Amino acid sequence: SYEVTQPPSVSVSPGQTATITCSGERLGDKYACWYQQKPGQSPVLVIYRDSKRPSGIPERFSGSNSGNTATLTISGTQTMDEAEYFCQAWDSSSVVFGGGTKLTVL
Amino acid sequence: EVQLLESGGGLVQPGGSLRLSCAASRFTFSSYALSWVRQAPGKGLEWVSSISHSGESTYYADSVKGRFTISRDNSKNTLFFQMNSLRAEDTAVYYCAKGGPDWGSGYWYFDLWGRGTLVTVSS
Repeated sequence: SYEVTQPPSVSVSPGQTATITCSGERLGDKYACWYQQKPGQSPVLVIYRDSKRPSGIPERFSGSNSGNTATLTISGTQTMDEAEYFCQAWDSSSVVFGGGTKLTVL
Repeated sequence: EVQLLESGGGLVQPGGSLRLSCAASRFTFSSYALSWVRQAPGKGLEWVSSISHSGESTYYADSVKGRFTISRDNSKNTLFFQMNSLRAEDTAVYYCAKGGPDWGSGYWYFDLWGRGTLVTVSS
């Protein structure tokens, strides 16, 4: 079955750019999306179809997908962006989530 | 407000059954695919099952195939999840999630999530 992999944790200073990766075989041939989940809350979609932002998601969130890697980029990271981020793809009528990346802003 | 509200979780013994419901409001329920995604305590997200907008097509993760059944009642704006032969490893918060408007075109992602309902399988 298809799998995608994320780093367990990423740290960034406030105002800097955070980059979270999601790796999978030929992931660039599929579409990836990203969710933000804060403690005790439900996930929120922040990027879909590789690079599109849902209504209400700040412009500092952006995404890309090429080769074997999808990337979530948060420009000018704010303390409110501290959360766990999950990438997601789908293959053969099956949805796959990455294990999640804990983003720490300090 | 557009929302999904899950119910039906609780404590059940191994081998037991449980039926989850998800009530939708303020969107055209019958136009969208719906799914169940679970999250074990302190763990990541795991897709469990999806159903097309009409209910004609259903999809399951291998971990629940043959034990769980997804269904929907578009006249009542409600999604269901019948869970049989429950195991300890099924313990998780179960989220109801709405597919995006382009799900039928092959873009599978979830643009609205409920608050979840906790299922605990333990003796």
